[in-house]
Amino acid sequence: EVQLVQSGAEVKKPGESLKISCKGSGYSFTNYWIGWVRQMPGKGLEWMGIINPGDSDTKYSPSFQGQVTVSVDKSVSTAYLQWSSLKASDSAMYYCARVERVTKYYYKGMDVWGQGTTVTVSS
Amino acid sequence: DIQMTQSPSSLSASVGDRVTITCRASQSISSYLNWYQQRPGKAPRLLIYDATSLESGVPSRFGGSGSGTDFTLTISGLQPEDFATYYCQHSYSTPQAFGQGTKVEIK
Repeated sequence: EVQLVQSGAEVKKPGESLKISCKGSGYSFTNYWIGWVRQMPGKGLEWMGIINPGDSDTKYSPSFQGQVTVSVDKSVSTAYLQWSSLKASDSAMYYCARVERVTKYYYKGMDVWGQGTTVTVSS
Repeated sequence: DIQMTQSPSSLSASVGDRVTITCRASQSISSYLNWYQQRPGKAPRLLIYDATSLESGVPSRFGGSGSGTDFTLTISGLQPEDFATYYCQHSYSTPQAFGQGTKVEIK
């Protein structure tokens, strides 16, 4: 079964660091990019960025560039999303999803999603 | 960056109704348009990719149309499990923005 399994819910204080994970299984991990999507409470989906597990090529939304870091360890088929200094406004659900890049400019839809990781930042 | 605008933001419909949701891109994205369904408390699910292609396992009552800047998701014969929020997303280059969502509620 093709699946992405995300790490568990996190409760952190402002200023703390955090790294959440997304582990792929059931497919060739390096053949698909991994994307990250934020959903703040009661709000819509926001595209954060994507990473190529094969060469770690990463593309960020301008809204998230410099605010988070996306990385990958292909040896364990796992992608990561990390913060160096959390803010209360980072409280949200974060999803990872699989993306197939067809050409330089064309990607297919996000066809497999993780279950989501809830991040709560509160003093 | 390409922006995506959906309409309406919400709608009320009855079981069996035909429902149409529209999505407009701020510039041409050819057919690089996806539709997702999100039920409360669940991860999104890909319904339609490439504007018109039905993802495997998705019921045939879901259909997509359009190209360029204007796109439509149609649900023909709304079922109880279809009451959810629907998002469009472009996948032409990056960043790949989502629309703001359309909540389909029970009338």
